[in-house]
Parts: sequence; structure tokens; C-alpha cells
Amino acid sequence: EDQVTQSPEALRLQEGESSSLNCSYTVSGLRGLFWYRQDPGKGPEFLFTLYSAGEEKEKERLKATLTKKESFLHITAPKPEDSATYLCAVRGSGTYKYIFGTGTRLKVLA
Amino acid sequence: DTGVSQDPRHKITKRGQNVTFRCDPISEHNRLYWYRQTLGQGPEFLTYFQNEAQLEKSRLLSDRFSAERPKGSFSTLEIQRTEQGDSAMYLCASSSGLAGVDDQYFGPGTRLLVL
Repeated sequence: EDQVTQSPEALRLQEGESSSLNCSYTVSGLRGLFWYRQDPGKGPEFLFTLYSAGEEKEKERLKATLTKKESFLHITAPKPEDSATYLCAVRGSGTYKYIFGTGTRLKVLA
Repeated sequence: DTGVSQDPRHKITKRGQNVTFRCDPISEHNRLYWYRQTLGQGPEFLTYFQNEAQLEKSRLLSDRFSAERPKGSFSTLEIQRTEQGDSAMYLCASSSGLAGVDDQYFGPGTRLLVL
């Protein structure tokens, strides 16, 4: 069965302290891997879609990478406004169902 | 582009009552999804529409849940005979349906509390 595991569950960083969030997945025929940011009480905000191993995408201080088994979301020199929960999801072939992980709660301290 | 909108944003109801939520997707998006999210969890897939056709539905979805998208634009999600376990955030998302584009955009959600 398709599954997504995110680690760590929570992460506290000092402003400017770079780090990476992990998303491990098992899926039958990866159709896409997706990263979202979610602020408390709000809907997830789309960040990136990755389709094949080796693919990388960047947006401001965020960079997402993909291998055949996992994806990383690298945060470079984070700021307090980057504090949020970061969600990873996958979609397998033959389905429109997106499977989400439980997220990583990131707190960036000034 | 005004984004995905959902109504109401909050709903409090008593156990046993029926509730209905509305979702308006991004215009010209032909794919629409419903999810449920509880505290500390990621969104859980409920159902998927392509235009007006409901093409996929979670096996976990109780018979008390039903969704429609009658004209391929807005969608409604109805929960009959609500239970306390139905308390959650109900999220709607849409995507364009263009070939090779699977980016999904979420609405702000409807928070349901069943007393």
C-alpha cells in the first residue's frame, strides 16, 4: 500500500541555521511527489511537484530534491516566517488519490 | 484568479444533524478533491471529481458521506447523521487537469465541530 513517512516530526532552528526535512515514500509507480506548507488553521499551500528521480526545484530559501525512495526539502538560512508545518504527498499511477504524510512542524527562532 | 473558496469556514452542529459544505474551485480547473484533516495529521483523501464525474472515492468513506459536482464547477460535501468523530477540518482542492500538471491548490477549509 502507498505510504509516506516524514521526519523529523518537529524541528527547531535558529534563524540562519540551514537544515533538511525528509519524506520517505513507497508507491506503485510514482506519478508525482508534492510539497506543501501549512500554517495553523489554514489550508495547505502548494510549493513543489517533483516527477522523477534526480529532479530538483527551488523557490526562495527552499529546495526540493527527489530520489527513488525519498525526497528532501532543504531550507537555507531560514527566517522566522518560514515557521510552519511542511507536508509531503505522493500520487501513484492508476489513481488520483494523494497520500499525505503527517508533516514536519518547523519552528525558526529569531 | 481568486483561488479555491470554501463555505462555511466554521460549522458547529449537534450529533445526528446533517451538514453540507460548499467548495468553489479555481475557475477552469476540472479536477476537484475533498480531504479531511484532523489535528496533527496530514490531509486524508475522501473523493475526486473530474468535471462532474466522481471517479474515485476512499474505501474509508462512510455511507453517511456524499459529494456532488453537478455542473462540473462548484462541489458540495454532505455528511448525514453527524457523529463526534466527524469533527475535523474539511479541505477542498483543485487542479487544472492539464497533461503533466498535477499541482493541487487547497482552499482555506471548513472546520466542523460536532457536539
